[in-house]
Amino acid sequence: DAMVIQNPRYQVTQFGKPVTLSCSQTLNHNVMYWYQQKSSQAPKLLFHYYDKDFNNEADTPDNFQSRRPNTSFCFLDIRSPGLGDAAMYLCATSRENRNEQFFGPGTRLTVL
Amino acid sequence: TQLLEQSPQFLSIQEGENLTVYCNSSSVFSSLQWYRQEPGEGPVLLVTVVTGGEVKKLKRLTFQFGDARKDSSLHITAAQPGDTGLYLCAGVGSPGYALNFGKGTSLLVTP
Repeated sequence: DAMVIQNPRYQVTQFGKPVTLSCSQTLNHNVMYWYQQKSSQAPKLLFHYYDKDFNNEADTPDNFQSRRPNTSFCFLDIRSPGLGDAAMYLCATSRENRNEQFFGPGTRLTVL
Repeated sequence: TQLLEQSPQFLSIQEGENLTVYCNSSSVFSSLQWYRQEPGEGPVLLVTVVTGGEVKKLKRLTFQFGDARKDSSLHITAAQPGDTGLYLCAGVGSPGYALNFGKGTSLLVTP
């Protein structure tokens, strides 16, 4: 089945220790998104790739970076995680910017 | 950013009851989507509405898009414990922008 896969499902890191979350998709969608979701809140868009074009949201901290080496994979790098970065990180894809988005199961990040 | 207001924020009902969740905005959306998210999982798309006044049904769930495409509602008939989750509406507005999410309605259905 075509799907969005996120690894790992749970990630524990230490304060200030870089961490990378990964997302892969078999949908062949050209747009990939990264969202941050804190408890009982809506997902907050961090950035997205439209093909190879990177689009950063204005309020996304510089601590968050992303890479998309090919159509199928996208990575979220947190350079120096703080306690406030503990959250669920969701990857999503869509065929175009304006179409339905399909979400992965998320990675729950804990910062100690 | 085009804001979407969802109400109520929290809803706790008993199995068998009916409920309606609202999603409102002052902005016009070209389409609007409803997602359900269970704890520890990603949102799952339930429906997309595109045409003003459109009504879509998904088993016991009825979705309506306002005539002016500024608001939407989700009605659940005879709620079941399996309906428990966070219901999110999300709108697509101006070309080139990603989804604008509402803050969600957290629904708890108890047996």
